[in-house]
Parts: sequence; structure tokens; C-alpha cells
Amino acid sequence: DTGVSQDPRHKITKRGQNVTFRCDPISEHNRLYWYRQTLGQGPEFLTYFQNEAQLEKSRLLSDRFSAERPKGSFSTLEIQRTEQGDSAMYLCASSLGASGDLTGANVLTFGAGSRLTVL
Amino acid sequence: QKEVEQNSGPLSVPEGAIASLNCTYSDRGSQSFFWYRQYSGKSPELIMSIYSNGDKEDGRFTAQLNKASQYVSLLIRDSQPSDSATYLCAVRGRGYQKVTFGTGTKLQVIP
Repeated sequence: DTGVSQDPRHKITKRGQNVTFRCDPISEHNRLYWYRQTLGQGPEFLTYFQNEAQLEKSRLLSDRFSAERPKGSFSTLEIQRTEQGDSAMYLCASSLGASGDLTGANVLTFGAGSRLTVL
Repeated sequence: QKEVEQNSGPLSVPEGAIASLNCTYSDRGSQSFFWYRQYSGKSPELIMSIYSNGDKEDGRFTAQLNKASQYVSLLIRDSQPSDSATYLCAVRGRGYQKVTFGTGTKLQVIP
């Protein structure tokens, strides 16, 4: 088990360009989360998948952001027409849980993150 | 009102002392509560999870949950300089799988 992998670790782009981040969760985990974190703040929830289904999406997520998890394995987060305000660390996390599980699940294991800098 | 609130600190304690970190949450139906530690430049890592009222101890760490007061805390006994980090409180609300984080409390343990 190699943990949660994220790629790239760092991305510098110019305003208006599109960027895509990839996350490979722990293989047996069925839940995958994307968070965004800026300096001095806690992780901010973006979206969540259970298997291949995107079940929750933050209302703060504009239509420039899209996430997919084809076949319930890896996930991608794409940001279109980047803005300077998108500069942040994008964290992926995975967990194991069953439908209806109310207690023991949602222990998140985070990847190292993908740092985005928009110039 | 923020969903999960923490004092941002910094909280400074001398080595060997007890550090007390506090967190309040707004959703009375929340069911799962977590403390994560985040070193500067690193990702959050789980320290403790707690699901029912009362105390849960793991080594030098004790998590305390009071659902009536919507309050969760983390005590770190015999604080070490290596405990210096930001501590994030996280909560999962009723009926949701989303885990919401507070802004974190920065802890500094002074040798």
C-alpha cells in the first residue's frame, strides 16, 4: 500500500489556463474527497465521491471546477480558466466506508497535495 | 456561524505541560469527530477519532466530546517540541459524508 498519491506536486500556470490534478487513492478505499487549503486556513471541502458517483459538491465550487472518478479508481480535478484566487494546495483524501455507516468511516487519509500557483 | 470553530492561536506551552485544544461545531446532529495534526508544509494526519460522549485516550492524547454543548477537545499530556504543529478539528454532520474542518489551532511547545 503506497498511500494516496497526487500528481503533479507543484503546478505553476498563467491566469486563464486550464490545469488538471490527479489523485490515486488507497486501493481498497471507496470514498474519495477533494479539499482546497490556503495558508492559515483549514482544508475546505470541494467534492466527494463514493465509488464512481459524485455525491456531494460544495456550493462554493464554481462551474470552472469539475471532478471525475471514472470506474471508481483514480480521480481528476480540473480547473478551467484559472484565476489568481485559485492559488492553493489541493488535497485529495480517501477513506473506507459502507453505505449507511454512521460511525467508523470517514477517517481520511490525505495525499501530499498538489500546490497550484496562478500567475 | 462557522460550521467548525477553533481558536487559531498560537497556543504556547512549555515542554512537559498539558496542551488543551478546543473546538465547537454548529450541527447538533453531527456524529463523527476527528483531530488531525498538520506540520508546516505537510498534509493532515489523523490523531484521534471520537464518536460518543466522554473521553477517549490514546497514549499522551485524550479526546473529549460533549454533544450537548457541541464541544470537542484534545488534551496533549507531557507536551514535546515535536508536538508543535497545527491541530485541525474535523466534524461529519448527520446524513452527510462530508467532513468539515476548522481553521486549526497552532501549537508551539517551548523547550
